[in-house]
Amino acid sequence: KAGVTQTPRYLIKTRGQQVTLSCSPISGHRSVSWYQQTPGQGLQFLFEYFSETQRNKGNFPGRFSGRQFSNSRSEMNVSTLELGDSALYLCASSAAGRETFSYNEQFFGPGTRLTVL
Amino acid sequence: QKEVEQDPGPLSVPEGAIVSLNCTYSNSAFQYFMWYRQYSRKGPELLMYTYSSGNKEDGRFTAQVDKSSKYISLFIRDSQPSDSATYLCASGGSYIPTFGRGTSLIVHP
Repeated sequence: KAGVTQTPRYLIKTRGQQVTLSCSPISGHRSVSWYQQTPGQGLQFLFEYFSETQRNKGNFPGRFSGRQFSNSRSEMNVSTLELGDSALYLCASSAAGRETFSYNEQFFGPGTRLTVL
Repeated sequence: QKEVEQDPGPLSVPEGAIVSLNCTYSNSAFQYFMWYRQYSRKGPELLMYTYSSGNKEDGRFTAQVDKSSKYISLFIRDSQPSDSATYLCASGGSYIPTFGRGTSLIVHP
């Protein structure tokens, strides 16, 4: 079974630009979560999507947004990039059902390394 | 103060040593406790998952949760150089997990 894939793996942008990152979950998984990882703050939850609906949201500004398609693939978008947005963005998929978030079934992708200059 | 605190290390041990990794958390509502291993340039990989208090063992790994002191531990027996990685603890309530910053472990031959 193929794992979680993320594209692109590396990205360089300049301040003020916007960026879109893509995540393809494990086949059959309907829950997709996004995280930001930085040396200073560690791994922080951005949002989770289940069946095309944002189910949970972390404490990030509105510049960070996402969506999920009917095939469970997900994208996240960051508008008006700031230097502090430089980070590893991780996507994780889960076989969670409608009523649960399956911590023990969450699989992470390799991440997209975003550098903002 | 972060809800989950973890010493970043690095922690350097000789091969074969018993490794103890620890975290503390502040939210009494947390019921789920996890340990992830992350190799360089890779995403985190779930190692151990515990619901509520108690111990859980899987091969060389043992996870302990003490809810009275809000303390989470991971023990690695007979550590190997291949265990060298960053170890992240995480805990949460119903939906949103909170992660520690990770502890860098180096096991030298």
